[in-house]
Amino acid sequence: EPEVTQTPSHQVTQMGQEVILRCVPISNHLYFYWYRQILGQKVEFLVSFYNNEISEKSEIFDDQFSVERPDGSNFTLKIRSTKLEDSAMYFCAITGNVGSPLHFGNGTRLTVT
Amino acid sequence: GESVGLHLPTLSVQEGDNSIINCAYSNSASDYFIWYKQESGKGPQFIIDIRSNMDKRQGQRVTVLLNKTVKHLSLQIAATQPGDSAVYFCAENKAGNNRKLIWGLGTSLAVNP
Repeated sequence: EPEVTQTPSHQVTQMGQEVILRCVPISNHLYFYWYRQILGQKVEFLVSFYNNEISEKSEIFDDQFSVERPDGSNFTLKIRSTKLEDSAMYFCAITGNVGSPLHFGNGTRLTVT
Repeated sequence: GESVGLHLPTLSVQEGDNSIINCAYSNSASDYFIWYKQESGKGPQFIIDIRSNMDKRQGQRVTVLLNKTVKHLSLQIAATQPGDSAVYFCAENKAGNNRKLIWGLGTSLAVNP
């Protein structure tokens, strides 16, 4: 079983709506990541998060995206105003330290209509 | 508009045979490489990783080989089983980029009983 649980497993939303994707690690981790995978394409890095702040983000992660750990446990990805091209699988990943491999959740399939 | 998906390379093997999945990486500055297995409907699952100061690393039934001269990475699976059927991804990490993984296209492995 993954070390991280993602909810929901599938989210359908209308273009322009806000969505929040959630990630809950099973045990304490320090480093959090969001990746996405558009159907049939490569997995792409979105953002890394450490010590309650963004440590790095990609060009995909524009002003429509934000991340936070609102209660010190859940790690969320918010898309403020979804676009059709945001439809993808979104994966949360965690690691305890930068020397260790990333462990991924099972993803949230986001469908924007 | 219609999105064009990438056609995954496919490897088909007989159960019990050894499998070799190849990957060419792009950045000579990358110092960490990792293989993930992704089954349908699940997130990437860590298989094995290797750092650039090594040429070979072995795990349980898996071996990763790194050839820095030609920027080539391979994953060998011994005695392939039906449960090994999945898409396999290699990913690289540039030195200093805190697990901002750059992913390959993926190879679909089909194990015939």
